[in-house]
Amino acid sequence: DAKTTQPNSMESNEEEPVHLPCNHSTISGTDYIHWYRQLPSQGPEYVIHGLTSNVNNRMASLAIAEDRKSSTLILHRATLRDAAVYYCILGNSGGSNYKLTFGKGTLLTVNP
Amino acid sequence: EAQVTQNPRYLITVTGKKLTVTCSQNMNHEYMSWYRQDPGLGLRQIYYSMNVEVTDKGDVPEGYKVSRKEKRNFPLILESPSPNQTSLYFCASSLAGGIPRSIFGPGTRLTVL
Repeated sequence: DAKTTQPNSMESNEEEPVHLPCNHSTISGTDYIHWYRQLPSQGPEYVIHGLTSNVNNRMASLAIAEDRKSSTLILHRATLRDAAVYYCILGNSGGSNYKLTFGKGTLLTVNP
Repeated sequence: EAQVTQNPRYLITVTGKKLTVTCSQNMNHEYMSWYRQDPGLGLRQIYYSMNVEVTDKGDVPEGYKVSRKEKRNFPLILESPSPNQTSLYFCASSLAGGIPRSIFGPGTRLTVL
């Protein structure tokens, strides 16, 4: 599985934007970039995914570098409820096992 | 509400006493899987199932069994639990095909004494 690298932790203030980086220099042409998050005492939760173009949804935006070797998850206005571990995961739609290979993720702390 | 449910949520048991953790989804998803989460090791896949009667091993299947007799249910069976199976377990489901968005259950915290 292609590997991703994320900072161990980041800190933000409430109401401010947060940019969570992810490096994936060995990404293949068919790999999608997925982001999940895990709130305290809960199961992981899907956030967003993309292939080449930037993506927006109600939760966040995903900015993908032109060479696809890195991406950034953007939370436009962090709230206390966004405090979680954020995982950047590579995967593709082929094959029979939609396994998500979780790394250590980034622990996001949001200060009031 | 679309969801994955797991039972029990918490379980303390003793070595060798067979147990089953149930997982059920109400979204008609074909794909289901089990993960365990341990400090420092992250989430690792135990078993997965592409559809009814189709199951396969993930990364850490030793000591576990699964079955998929119905589309909605995917129980995890520990025939003879050992202390190294003390962990937080998550069940997940998604549609097959396309780009699956996995829906995870709330987790089952298992302690084997």
